[in-house]
Amino acid sequence: SYELAQPPSVSVSPGQTARITCSGNAFPRKFAYWCQQKSGQAPVLLIYEDNKRPSGIPDRFSGSSSGTMATLTISGAQVEDEADYYCYSTDDSGNHSVFGGGTRLTVL
Amino acid sequence: EVQLVESGGGLVKPGGSLRLSCTASGLTVTNVWMSWVRQAPGKGLEWVGRIKSKGDGGTTDYGAPVKGRFSIFRDESRNTMYLHMNSLRTEDTATYYCRFVAAADTVYWGQGTLVTVSS
Repeated sequence: SYELAQPPSVSVSPGQTARITCSGNAFPRKFAYWCQQKSGQAPVLLIYEDNKRPSGIPDRFSGSSSGTMATLTISGAQVEDEADYYCYSTDDSGNHSVFGGGTRLTVL
Repeated sequence: EVQLVESGGGLVKPGGSLRLSCTASGLTVTNVWMSWVRQAPGKGLEWVGRIKSKGDGGTTDYGAPVKGRFSIFRDESRNTMYLHMNSLRTEDTATYYCRFVAAADTVYWGQGTLVTVSS
């Protein structure tokens, strides 16, 4: 079955740039999406269709895609950005969605 | 405003069955695509399956770990989507969320319901 690979953890100091990668063989044919999940809460959509940001999401969050890798960038990470981040997409058939394993971002 | 409320979680023995409900407001469940996503304790998100709108055939697809054991269906009169789970295993222990993608930039999640499979 189709898989998306993310690093388990990323750590930055406040104000630094954090980059979280997501690799998958169906990129770039399929879009990448990113969501943020804080402890005990439902996920929140951060980025859709590779690089678009829903209204209400701070502009320090951005997405990009190149070849078989999608990247979430948090420019000037803040302590409040500590959370788990997941990429997700679909397989080539479009019939099965898949989540990456998740990346725990630490900002300290 | 769209709201999704899951219910039906609880403790069940391995090999048992359970039915989860996702009752929606602000949308008609038969007119949209909806899905189930689960999260084992301390683990990542996992896509469980999806049901298409009636207009798109109402077909379902499932992730490999649950295919053949879980099924998704809807009750239009109750505006509710269900996840029927059979032959439950300890590894099915998770919080189960229902999810509705209204548009590419708009995703709604329920609050989740916890299923524990243990003897």
